[in-house]
Parts: sequence; C-alpha cells; structure tokens
Amino acid sequence: AQTVTQSQPEMSVQEAETVTLSCTYDTSESDYYLFWYKQPPSRQMILVIRQEAYKQQNATENRFSVNFQKAAKSFSLKISDSQLGDAAMYFCAYKIDGNKLVFGAGTILRVKS
Amino acid sequence: DSGVTQTPKHLITATGQRVTLRCSPRSGDLSVYWYQQSLDQGLQFLIQYYNGEERAKGNILERFSAQQFPDLHSELNLSSLELGDSALYFCASSVGSQGLFFGPGTRLTVL
Repeated sequence: AQTVTQSQPEMSVQEAETVTLSCTYDTSESDYYLFWYKQPPSRQMILVIRQEAYKQQNATENRFSVNFQKAAKSFSLKISDSQLGDAAMYFCAYKIDGNKLVFGAGTILRVKS
Repeated sequence: DSGVTQTPKHLITATGQRVTLRCSPRSGDLSVYWYQQSLDQGLQFLIQYYNGEERAKGNILERFSAQQFPDLHSELNLSSLELGDSALYFCASSVGSQGLFFGPGTRLTVL
C-alpha cells in the first residue's frame, strides 16, 4: 500500500527566509503524481504544487518549488522568501487509483516576523 | 476560491442523530470525493463518485452513505452519529490529473 510520511511535525522560519518541508513516500508504481497542499487556519485545503513522476524537472510555482528525488522516493517543498501568510499546515499527498489522494500527517509551518 | 461549494459550514448535533452534508463540484468536474479530517486520523478518503456512479470506497463506515445526483451535486449522509464522528468533512472534485480541488468543508460537532 502506498504511504506518505512527513517526518517534521512542526517547522519554523523567519520571514523572508527559506524553509524546506520533507516528504517521503512508498510506492511500486513508476508513473504517479505528487502534490503539496496548504491548510491555513481557515482550514481550506489549497493546492500548492504538483509533480508528475515521469518529469525529471522539478515543479515550481512562484516562491514554491519541489525537490523531487524519484529513486529516493523523496518529495520536499521549498518555500522561498517566506511570508506571514505562508503559516499553515502543509500536507504532502500521493495520487492513487484515479484521483484518490493519500495524505501525509502534515507539517505545521510557523513564520516569525 | 476552488469552485467547490459545501453546505452547511457548521453542524452541531447530538449522538444518535442523522445529518446530510451537501457538495457541488466545480463546473465541468464529473468526480466528487469525500474526505474526513479528524484530529487523530488526519485526512482520510471516504468515497468517490463519478457521474452518478460510485467509483471507489475508502474508510467509510457502514453508518455513512453518499450519492451523486444527475446535476452532479453530492450528498454525504451520516447516521447514528457518535462522538467520534466529530470532524471536518471535505468534498473535492477533479478533472484529469490536476489534483483535487477542495471545498471549504463542513465542520461537524456531535455532542
């Protein structure tokens, strides 16, 4: 069964600094999709970034980028120039069977001013 | 705004009762997914519907059921509610492999 592990329950970053959130997953598939979701205090789940496993190029979306290491089954999220609005719970997710997602336990990101 | 709508935003009810949560997917999306987020279980997939048909089942209790109507809105029915059913229930929709787009959720409190 596919599993997603986020080993950092909580992280802190200074405003304007860079932070990296870790995620590892387990799968026997060769082609799959990975996602990062942000859940701010409003509890809305917001799609931050997606990565297709067959693409070697790491996905980027403005200040958000990923470091996708397929052989290591690692999918970390880097947030550059952190802003107060980035404070949230971040979930890593793996897509299985159609569009069902398996989520990690989440990492709380705190941004200090 | 994801384009997925859910009602109501909050529900407070008593043990043993039954409630219905409603979801409308994004325009053009045929699939609807229901997820439960509780403090100790994280985000758990419950069930998926595609164009009115049940497509996949996850960790959904027998006391829970869902359906998707011809206009593609979906309802999640929770019955014989227990304290442990208190959670945030999300609906999501998708097209292709873009990922899931989540609604704002319904917070259910069972007293």
